[in-house]
Amino acid sequence: DIQMTQSPSSLSASVGDRVTITCRASQDISNYVVWFQQRPGKAPKSLIYAASSLQSGVPSKFSGSGSGTDFTLTISSLQPEDFATYYCQQYHSYPLTFGGGTKVDLK
Amino acid sequence: EVQLVESGGGLVKPGGSLRLSCAASGFPFSTYSMNWVRQAPGKGLEWVSSINSRSDYIYYTDSVKGRFTVSRDNAKNSLFLQINSLRAEDTGVYYCARAQYDSSGYRRYPDYWGQGTLVTVSS
Repeated sequence: DIQMTQSPSSLSASVGDRVTITCRASQDISNYVVWFQQRPGKAPKSLIYAASSLQSGVPSKFSGSGSGTDFTLTISSLQPEDFATYYCQQYHSYPLTFGGGTKVDLK
Repeated sequence: EVQLVESGGGLVKPGGSLRLSCAASGFPFSTYSMNWVRQAPGKGLEWVSSINSRSDYIYYTDSVKGRFTVSRDNAKNSLFLQINSLRAEDTGVYYCARAQYDSSGYRRYPDYWGQGTLVTVSS
């Protein structure tokens, strides 16, 4: 199984900050990574797919990069609605696997 | 508008069974693969199962093999998860999610998710 190691597990930030979350795959998965945002009590929402493609309707402050084993999600200017938990997931092969999540809260 | 609405969750004793449903609308359901993903209380996301559009490719995570069965009825735009021999560790919110092809046209990722249905396994 492919393991997705996400870091940090939590971070505190202020409105307007630039935030970067990383995900490392245990083997080469090309660019088959999707990033999700999950607000408390809500369903996950896809933000970025194929490592760097912005999902339709998602603001451009979200961006993704990486290929192979190392991937990043960046939020360029954190807004109040962005305080949430973020997950990466590989869809290179079954079983599909998620990172452990990164909780972004207000400093 | 894509809509996915799960139902069928509830409180069940260990060893019991439930049948979860996911009603889809707003897209051609019969042409999409679908996923089930769960989330234990306060924990992260865990993929459970995937089924392709014609039900001829089906996958499960190891911990549910032999206990869970995914199926679909394309005529009724519905996805199902039959869960048997329930254990305490199966407790959580179960989400259905549509699988969309990415730009490669070869692999699929979950794009739209329902709001989930809660399964609680407790005596």
